[in-house]
Amino acid sequence: GAGVSQTPSNKVTEKGKYVELRCDPISGHTALYWYRQSLGQGPEFLIYFQGTGAADDSGLPNDRFFAVRPEGSVSTLKIQRTERGDSAVYLCASSPTGGGGTDTQYFGPGTRLTVL
Amino acid sequence: KQEVTQIPAALSVPEGENLVLNCSFTDSAIYNLQWFRQDPGKGLTSLLLIQSSQREQTSGRLNASLDKSSGRSTLYIAASQPGDSATYLCAVSGAQKLVFGQGTRLTINP
Repeated sequence: GAGVSQTPSNKVTEKGKYVELRCDPISGHTALYWYRQSLGQGPEFLIYFQGTGAADDSGLPNDRFFAVRPEGSVSTLKIQRTERGDSAVYLCASSPTGGGGTDTQYFGPGTRLTVL
Repeated sequence: KQEVTQIPAALSVPEGENLVLNCSFTDSAIYNLQWFRQDPGKGLTSLLLIQSSQREQTSGRLNASLDKSSGRSTLYIAASQPGDSATYLCAVSGAQKLVFGQGTRLTINP
């Protein structure tokens, strides 16, 4: 497809479990971003990849959260020992260069994570 | 730390009215400002992007302005339609990451 895709669209898990959320960016986009959106709030930045490397992971809330992008395309957000407070919509975005200015971020539909 | 505020949090107007959504930010050192639309259960769609050197951008019935020195932006929607009902989010870019406001939930009543 032409847009950013995310799987699964919904994920329900139990407290303490491990989850992986996947993002397929737009083909050719070098920059990839993860955001988290809680109910009634705007998205909050988690991590930014330029190619295969995490250029800015300052938004990751703690060491239970980790993300990879091994081949510079698909990215996986990994959450260990999930907590109820991790429940949110996780949004992925990609942009052509990550260079600011006119570099528009294109968002996927998100993965709704519910931790019971 | 950059903070973005949107007022009002919710707005309900009759179809056909012109309306203005407001966004303010605390740090004027931005690369650009974007307005997004979010429909329930969906991702974000970029509406307009204003570079830091620009004052406004227009797309159809939408016009966004940027006053960097005062830390303010407005989104003007002309001749509103029921299909404009959605949450509108403002976001500023300091480098690569975006900092979002909480959004304005807009309802256009037929």
